[in-house]
Amino acid sequence: EAGVAQSPRYKIIEKRQSVAFWCNPISGHATLYWYQQILGQGPKLLIQFQNNGVVDDSQLPKDRFSAERLKGVDSTLKIQPAKLEDSAVYLCASSFGSSYNEQFFGPGTRLTVL
Amino acid sequence: AQSVTQPDIHITVSEGASLELRCNYSYGATPYLFWYVQSPGQGLQLLLKYFSGDTLVQGIKGFEAEFKRSQSSFNLRKPSVHWSDAAEYFCAVGVDQAGTALIFGKGTTLSVSS
Repeated sequence: EAGVAQSPRYKIIEKRQSVAFWCNPISGHATLYWYQQILGQGPKLLIQFQNNGVVDDSQLPKDRFSAERLKGVDSTLKIQPAKLEDSAVYLCASSFGSSYNEQFFGPGTRLTVL
Repeated sequence: AQSVTQPDIHITVSEGASLELRCNYSYGATPYLFWYVQSPGQGLQLLLKYFSGDTLVQGIKGFEAEFKRSQSSFNLRKPSVHWSDAAEYFCAVGVDQAGTALIFGKGTTLSVSS
């Protein structure tokens, strides 16, 4: 079975520019997560979707970050405008169902903000 | 607030030697407990999980972990380390909040010497 796909794998931008990341979860997985992993730290949740509805976005910096999951499948995470401290790996994960199941992670997008 | 502590940032083990990675959590009840491994340039892979029942759980690649409620710990062990085990290891907990996202520790980097 195909895993979680993410693109691009790498992105370098200047501060104050905008950037978007794309995620395609495993087919049939209703739950999708976006995590931010800063160098030297563990992943931290940004937003969780159940189908195309938001379950938890309490840690999403909503003044600059936005995310959507159209039709309950693919998802896009956007940053506008980017700051230096947004440099991190952005991980997308998906899981089957709404309870605690194994989360399958994509390879991530490494963002560098200069 | 819930938290996960991995006291060891970096551990070096000789190939063939045993391994124990420590994980402590802070949560009032028994959380859902996970160990993930992250190899360079790859996404996180689930090694094992504990939800309830037998406190010694077996995972993939010869890993096991033991849940100790009295110590709020969930340490990962392997009796004989292989060079391919070199990677970063993350302990994570799931708590009953708005969603089912995980709270990760900062990770332990494992190096294997020959």
